[in-house]
Amino acid sequence: NAGVTQTPKFQVLKTGQSMTLQCAQDMNHNSMYWYRQDPGMGLRLIYYSASEGTTDKGEVPNGYNVSRLNKREFSLRLESAAPSQTSVYFCASGLAGDNEQFFGPGTRLTVL
Amino acid sequence: GEDVEQSLFLSVREGDSSVINCTYTDSSSTYLYWYKQEPGAGLQLLTYIFSNMDMKQDQRLTVLLNKKDKHLSLRIADTQTGDSAIYFCAEKQGNTGKLIFGQGTTLQVKP
Repeated sequence: NAGVTQTPKFQVLKTGQSMTLQCAQDMNHNSMYWYRQDPGMGLRLIYYSASEGTTDKGEVPNGYNVSRLNKREFSLRLESAAPSQTSVYFCASGLAGDNEQFFGPGTRLTVL
Repeated sequence: GEDVEQSLFLSVREGDSSVINCTYTDSSSTYLYWYKQEPGAGLQLLTYIFSNMDMKQDQRLTVLLNKKDKHLSLRIADTQTGDSAIYFCAEKQGNTGKLIFGQGTTLQVKP
């Protein structure tokens, strides 16, 4: 089992460019999540998907879109990147109602 | 809204006990968690406690929950250099599994 995988590991964008962060899990989990981590602010939920075919906004959804492509994959898209989106992005997955979320290794994104 | 607060930094000597504290505001939280993040890595679940418990022990880890004061603590006995990491407290909201995280406490263990 690979667990939760994320690509890319690092990315540098210019303001206004777009990109998609990919996330996949092989644990047959129903729920998937995208967080961003900023210094001194912990992790903040961007979007989540409770099950295949559904997505909901989290705490900080502005400037992002998501797609739950299938049960395994949950992608995060930045249509027009801004410096304020410089952050480390974590994807996580879990069984609905379960007590543990499993995290990927993160994507470090810098927007110049 | 819901909020989880932690102190940002703790430094201890190897072999001492470490106590990391957390306060939360949502009295309807069902579960509270401690996650560990090592440098350059994702978060790893250390332990969790159900809201109707007041203590949970797991080897070197002891979690204490004071529901009245909405205070959660993590005690690490015999702290080792390998325990150096950022520790996040989190509370769970309802059945969506959404977690609200604190800012993280950086634990520095000096030899």
